[in-house]
Amino acid sequence: QITLKESGPTLVKPTQTLTLTCTFSGFSLSAAGEGVGWIRQSPGKALECLTLIYWNDDNRYSPSLKSRLTITKDTSKKQVVLTLTNVDLVDTATYYCAHSRQMKYFDFWGQGILVTVSS
Amino acid sequence: QSVLTQPPSISGAPGQRVTISCTGSSSNFGAGYDAHWYQQLPGTAPKLLIYDNNNRPSGVPDRFSGSKSGTSASLAITGLQPEDEADYYCQSYDHSLGGSNVFGTGTKVSVL
Repeated sequence: QITLKESGPTLVKPTQTLTLTCTFSGFSLSAAGEGVGWIRQSPGKALECLTLIYWNDDNRYSPSLKSRLTITKDTSKKQVVLTLTNVDLVDTATYYCAHSRQMKYFDFWGQGILVTVSS
Repeated sequence: QSVLTQPPSISGAPGQRVTISCTGSSSNFGAGYDAHWYQQLPGTAPKLLIYDNNNRPSGVPDRFSGSKSGTSASLAITGLQPEDEADYYCQSYDHSLGGSNVFGTGTKVSVL
C-alpha cells in the first residue's frame, strides 16, 4: 500500500525559503517509472502542479515557478524535498505530495499541509 | 492561468447525467497526451477518478466515465448521487515551455 505524508513549517515569513518534506512508503523511487510530485492549492483555487522528480533523476518544473523551485530525493530515506525560495503572500496554499504513475498521473496523495505566508 | 479550461460549475438532480468538459490545445491533448480526472471532496486531498482517458481505478463506481477527442476531454457522471457533490479536475501533460504536468481550472458539481 502506497502512502505519502507531507511535513514542514506551517507558517513562514515573506522572503524566506520554504522547505517541505514528503515521506513515502510502499514503493521505491529507484524503480523504473516511479515518481513523486508536489502540487499546491491556494485557498478556493485550482490545483497547480509545481514539480516532479522521477526514478532516473529527471525533474520537471512549473515554467512560472522554475526559478524558485528545487526538488530533490533521498531514495534510502524514502523522502522527497521541495524548496521554494523568496516566498510571498500568494504562496499561501495547501501543499500536497503525490505518487506519479508512469510519469502521467497521480494515483496516491498525501493529506496535504497548509502553509501560510505572513509577516 | 491553466492551459486546460473547465466550466466553473455544473449542477444536476439526483439520477441525472452530467458532463464536464476540459478544453486543451495542440500542446497537450492535441499532441496525444492522455487525460486524467480527479475528484476532490470538501476538505480532502484529490482522488484519482479516471486515468488514461477512460480507465477507472479499482473502487471507482462505473457511473464515472471519461473520453478524449482532439484537443478536448470530458468526464461523464451518470446516475448522479448526492455524494458526487465535489470539485473535479482534469490533468494532462503539456510540452510547451519545457514540459510539465498541468491541471484544469476545476469544476464544482452540485447535486440539486
